[in-house]
Amino acid sequence: AQSVTQLDSHVSVSEGTPVLLRCNYSSSYSPSLFWYVQHPNKGLQLLLKYTSAATLVKGINGFEAEFKKSETSFHLTKPSAHMSDAAEYFCVVSDGGGYNKLIFGAGTRLAVHP
Amino acid sequence: SAVISQKPSRDICQRGTSLTIQCQVDSQVTMMFWYRQQPGQSLTLIATANQGSEATYESGFVIDKFPISRPNLTFSTLTVSNMSPEDSSIYLCSALGGSPYEQYFGPGTRLTVT
Repeated sequence: AQSVTQLDSHVSVSEGTPVLLRCNYSSSYSPSLFWYVQHPNKGLQLLLKYTSAATLVKGINGFEAEFKKSETSFHLTKPSAHMSDAAEYFCVVSDGGGYNKLIFGAGTRLAVHP
Repeated sequence: SAVISQKPSRDICQRGTSLTIQCQVDSQVTMMFWYRQQPGQSLTLIATANQGSEATYESGFVIDKFPISRPNLTFSTLTVSNMSPEDSSIYLCSALGGSPYEQYFGPGTRLTVT
């Protein structure tokens, strides 16, 4: 069965410093992986996705993630945090079945301090 | 991308009553999904709704408690029946987009049961 583990429930950074949100996955085959962001009282927004193409995936708002099969990781990074990046981030794996069931990680709350 | 709206955005209901949540997509989609996000938790898939067939429920969710309709390719409803305080959650619908493996989410319905 597919699963994702987000290694940090909370991450706190200063504005202008790098962001690293860690995610490990478990899958019996080549997975599709996603990062979604949820701002307070707003819906989920897709940041980026990996679907077996390039292993370094660039998303919106300067975020990127690298798929590392040997480490079963899909960490999310951003070179310089902005105050508006403060939100909840979810690492997600698709079960790859016929109907694209998404399995969500527990989430990482990112705080950005001035 | 698909734009998804939900009604109501929030509601406060008494225990024992039922609430129907509507989900409207701005384009025709094959698959729609309903998720629950309990307070401070991640998202859990309730069911998959395909037009013209009965919804497929995940383990722990039953049709009598969460009946779903999917009358056409742009609309779905989720009913939360015989509510208890434990049903207090955010309920989100999503739709499978045109790009493979992309799901787009509605803003959610925040339900409080007293």
